[in-house]
Amino acid sequence: AQSVAQPEDQVNVAEGNPLTVKCTYSVSGNPYLFWYVQYPNRGLQFLLKYITGDNLVKGSYGFEAEFNKSQTSFHLKKPSALVSDSALYFCAVSLSMIKAAGNKLTFGGGTRVLVKP
Amino acid sequence: SQTIHQWPATLVQPVGSPLSLECTVEGTSNPNLYWYRQAAGRGLQLLFYSVGIGQISSEVPQNLSASRPQDRQFILSSKKLLLSDSGFYLCAWNRAYEQYFGPGTRLTVT
Repeated sequence: AQSVAQPEDQVNVAEGNPLTVKCTYSVSGNPYLFWYVQYPNRGLQFLLKYITGDNLVKGSYGFEAEFNKSQTSFHLKKPSALVSDSALYFCAVSLSMIKAAGNKLTFGGGTRVLVKP
Repeated sequence: SQTIHQWPATLVQPVGSPLSLECTVEGTSNPNLYWYRQAAGRGLQLLFYSVGIGQISSEVPQNLSASRPQDRQFILSSKKLLLSDSGFYLCAWNRAYEQYFGPGTRLTVT
């Protein structure tokens, strides 16, 4: 079984300050890890993924995330937050990217980010 | 380019009424398709997924069902809605390692 934990329901940060959204995972194998963002009443938008290779992955809108296998973490970061980054962020994990197996994602509970001007 | 459509965008239905939500994908072929439900603006629950026409896998036992009559069409149905079926329903498709989501349908059961 696989699971994802996002320990913070909400993160508050001032505009211009660094933003970190935490994610830890539990899988019995090598994980594929993802971050998505959701704005109010909208679908989820893909931000970035870790499949293999460099532990630091860069994604859309200036976001990046670091895969840490020993700590089973995949925290999302942005060096300088914008008010427009205020949204709901989801971390997700999958064990398989085989189409016939479904490519299913397990999502964390989400973290609401509020960036204040 | 690929796009994914869902309709209707919003729906208010009485308890006990039937439900049909539709999702279509353009610009790709033979995608994996998914239905999720999001309650109270938080976590996503995978309801069904499909790896091909007529192939449906259910993740959670409930009074909902899904069908895939065509390669790029995915339908979520219910014969009789419950209050607990209220939520935000999201369809998604898979390309390579990434899932792409539709705009969602807000369902309120009264």
